[in-house]
Amino acid sequence: GAGVSQSPRYKVAKRGQDVALRCDPISGHVSLFWYQQALGQGPEFLTYFQNEAQLDKSGLPSDRFFAERPEGSVSTLKIQRTQQEDSAVYLCASSLTGRSKELIYGYTFGSGTRLTVV
Amino acid sequence: AQSVTQLDSHVSVSEGTPVLLRCNYSSSYSPSLFWYVQHPNKGLQLLLKYTSAATLVKGINGFEAEFKKSETSFHLTKPSAHMSDAAEYFCVVSPRGGSYIPTFGRGTSLIVHP
Repeated sequence: GAGVSQSPRYKVAKRGQDVALRCDPISGHVSLFWYQQALGQGPEFLTYFQNEAQLDKSGLPSDRFFAERPEGSVSTLKIQRTQQEDSAVYLCASSLTGRSKELIYGYTFGSGTRLTVV
Repeated sequence: AQSVTQLDSHVSVSEGTPVLLRCNYSSSYSPSLFWYVQHPNKGLQLLLKYTSAATLVKGINGFEAEFKKSETSFHLTKPSAHMSDAAEYFCVVSPRGGSYIPTFGRGTSLIVHP
């Protein structure tokens, strides 16, 4: 597709339930990022992939959060035993880097998944 | 290490008047800088970006920003505000090289009065 696609668009989970959020980046984009955006805040970095390799997961708030990108394209963010503080919009972005190491077109973001834990 | 400071959480202007949204950054490396806009219940849209070329960057919808290295600033401006400009604006910095992980400012809410 032409943009970054995220699904589901909305997710309501009962506390303690596991959830899986999907990100389908722009075809050919090597880099993929996950962000968490709490209400009224800026997006906070969670994790970064280059192809299938997870190069940075320093932003994951706890070991309940897990992300994967097994074939270097689609990525899944999984949250186990959800808690109320996990309620947020989860954003995925992808980007393409040229030979000169410059970013091409910047980062393209999906519309996000709004997770509400009740 | 890198960080972004958006100096105003809210900016209120009248339609037709100039807009100024302030952003200061710090970065251990030569940065790339971006402004993104987020309308309610919408995704983040790229307004403009600075990488390494001209310091005055023109973006979509009449917005522009000037990279000032000496002041570590990248303020966003528009000569005349339109009602449709009302949204949340984010200044973003990323290192030019390495992981390219972008860091967001906390955002500035632009309110446009008729």
